[in-house]
Amino acid sequence: AQSVTQPDIHITVSEGASLELRCNYSYGATPYLFWYVQSPGQGLQLLLKYFSGDTLVQGIKGFEAEFKRSQSSFNLRKPSVHWSDAAEYFCAVGAGQAGTALIFGKGTTLSVSS
Amino acid sequence: GAVVSQHPSRVICKSGTSVKIECRSLDFQATTMFWYRQFPKQSLMLMATSNEGSKATYEQGVEKDKFLINHASLTLSTLTVTSAHPEDSSFYICSADREHEQYFGPGTRLTVT
Repeated sequence: AQSVTQPDIHITVSEGASLELRCNYSYGATPYLFWYVQSPGQGLQLLLKYFSGDTLVQGIKGFEAEFKRSQSSFNLRKPSVHWSDAAEYFCAVGAGQAGTALIFGKGTTLSVSS
Repeated sequence: GAVVSQHPSRVICKSGTSVKIECRSLDFQATTMFWYRQFPKQSLMLMATSNEGSKATYEQGVEKDKFLINHASLTLSTLTVTSAHPEDSSFYICSADREHEQYFGPGTRLTVT
């Protein structure tokens, strides 16, 4: 079955500390992987995506993610978290084909402490 | 580029009435749009795939007679919640398909009283 697992429901990180959000996927075809961020009551903003090529991808707001095929993982990282990063983060996988919906993980809530 | 809008952003309706939510791709054409539903503190669940000029494809468990989807043009898809009930209260998000990506609207908060 196709699925996305985000093992951590809620993470609290001190401002300035590093962050890693985990994402594992199960997908039959070549996966197209995404990380989105959602602030309360808002839509989704794309942080970064991986289609092919370099397995370390850079995104907006200083985020990066690394695709590891052997581990079926696509973990999101940021070296220094800012208070404004507090939000809900979703990992998603798709087929990269027109007309194919994304499969989302359950999300990880990030809290930032001062 | 690749902006998707939704209207309204918030709507409150009485139980038994119908409400229409619009999803527009503002600067590109989208043959396919998707409708998701999100409950508080939960992930996005795909409700249906909307294809321009044809019938929508609904996910298992989604009542197609209750959630009417129309994709009349390459830039507009509408979701009508018919005979709404309090359990239909939720956050509805649309996305438009463009090449390898989906671009999401800002969402519509529906509250049924």
